[in-house]
Amino acid sequence: GAVVSQHPSWVICKSGTSVKIECRSLDFQATTMFWYRQFPKQSLMLMATSNEGSKATYEQGVEKDKFLINHASLTLSTLTVTSAHPEDSSFYICSARGGGQTETQYFGPGTRLLVL
Amino acid sequence: GQNIDQPTEMTATEGAIVQINCTYQTSGFNGLFWYQQHAGEAPTFLSYNVLDGLEEKGRFSSFLSRSKGYSYLLLKELQMKDSASYLCAVQDSNYQLIWGAGTKLIIKP
Repeated sequence: GAVVSQHPSWVICKSGTSVKIECRSLDFQATTMFWYRQFPKQSLMLMATSNEGSKATYEQGVEKDKFLINHASLTLSTLTVTSAHPEDSSFYICSARGGGQTETQYFGPGTRLLVL
Repeated sequence: GQNIDQPTEMTATEGAIVQINCTYQTSGFNGLFWYQQHAGEAPTFLSYNVLDGLEEKGRFSSFLSRSKGYSYLLLKELQMKDSASYLCAVQDSNYQLIWGAGTKLIIKP
């Protein structure tokens, strides 16, 4: 299947700093990328959907000024958590989908963020 | 509203067969996905059904009945490594994935 990578896999940072997470589709062109957050023992929560070259669409309750998403190319999307706080500590997972809307979403390995 | 229902937790024995059910009510339907998620890891794709019937892939099979809003994932010859959460997700009329809460499957020796 398709391969999606994320970097970094682990981040520990101080409160108030910004953290950038990269998501790359390695062997296919991802017209759409998704960013999820998952707290321990809870379901995946979709944060935003981004199409290459367009502004991201954020889910209700997700602050777009706090979680900046850039999808500048067909293989790369970035999520920047600005002014991170301890409550932002979570498992952030991206997924990517190819050309057709019925194409499968393939997930990256996730990034664990711990804000001290 | 949109709703995906699946059992919270199931227990099965190594070598046995287990069926995980998923029922859904969504605004439109453009396919149903099953994903496997091991603890602390991201989900991995298992299957995709868009037409009624059974899709078989090795030890795993997935069934869909669109008229009943129902799917199941069947796991045969269970192995300890199959202990994981299994997520059911439906793609609605806007091609957005609606996620179930997941079924935690515990395999006992």
